[in-house]
Amino acid sequence: GEDVEQSLFLSVREGDSSVINCTYTDSSSTYLYWYKQEPGAGLQLLTYIFSNMDMKQDQRLTVLLNKKDKHLSLRIADTQTGDSAIYFCAETFASGGSYIPTFGRGTSLIVHP
Amino acid sequence: DAGITQSPRHKVTETGTPVTLRCHQTENHRYMYWYRQDPGHGLRLIHYSYGVKDTDKGEVSDGYSVSRSKTEDFLLTLESATSSQTSVYFCATAGRNEQFFGPGTRLTVL
Repeated sequence: GEDVEQSLFLSVREGDSSVINCTYTDSSSTYLYWYKQEPGAGLQLLTYIFSNMDMKQDQRLTVLLNKKDKHLSLRIADTQTGDSAIYFCAETFASGGSYIPTFGRGTSLIVHP
Repeated sequence: DAGITQSPRHKVTETGTPVTLRCHQTENHRYMYWYRQDPGHGLRLIHYSYGVKDTDKGEVSDGYSVSRSKTEDFLLTLESATSSQTSVYFCATAGRNEQFFGPGTRLTVL
């Protein structure tokens, strides 16, 4: 079955880079996502990557995809205290049928001043 | 912002009482979902809908039912609430391979 794994916690200093990792098992995944959840709020889509891409960059965010190892990472450059949140990795595959993303359990990013 | 609202935002109820949570969207998205979020479990799918009157079960559907009589509204009902259903409930919609989430409803069952 499908499964998405993430480490539960990551602690970094303000100004450093953060790298959040995710592994998935469904080789037919078409889209892979990173969501951010701030305290008391819903999930907000940060970025996503199509499975035929290796990398996507969007300002301070860099997503790397290694399809061979089924490994996805999110790098946040110059991490700020406002980046403290839970980050969820998710996968889905595009088809004419259902759209049911599978989520990891989330990585809590703690940024120390 | 995909225009998703949830009501109520907070609710405290007693074991055995029925509870209905409402999700309303203004984006005309076909897919709608109900998730629960609990510490250590991340997001777990309860039920989803792929159109008016078309719904299906997720991984934790026991004790929950849903209805979708209009595109914009998706209701989640706990027929007889139990303490194990104390959780934060999120509604989501999907359009164009992206999901959008509501602000959540915190439900406490005493």
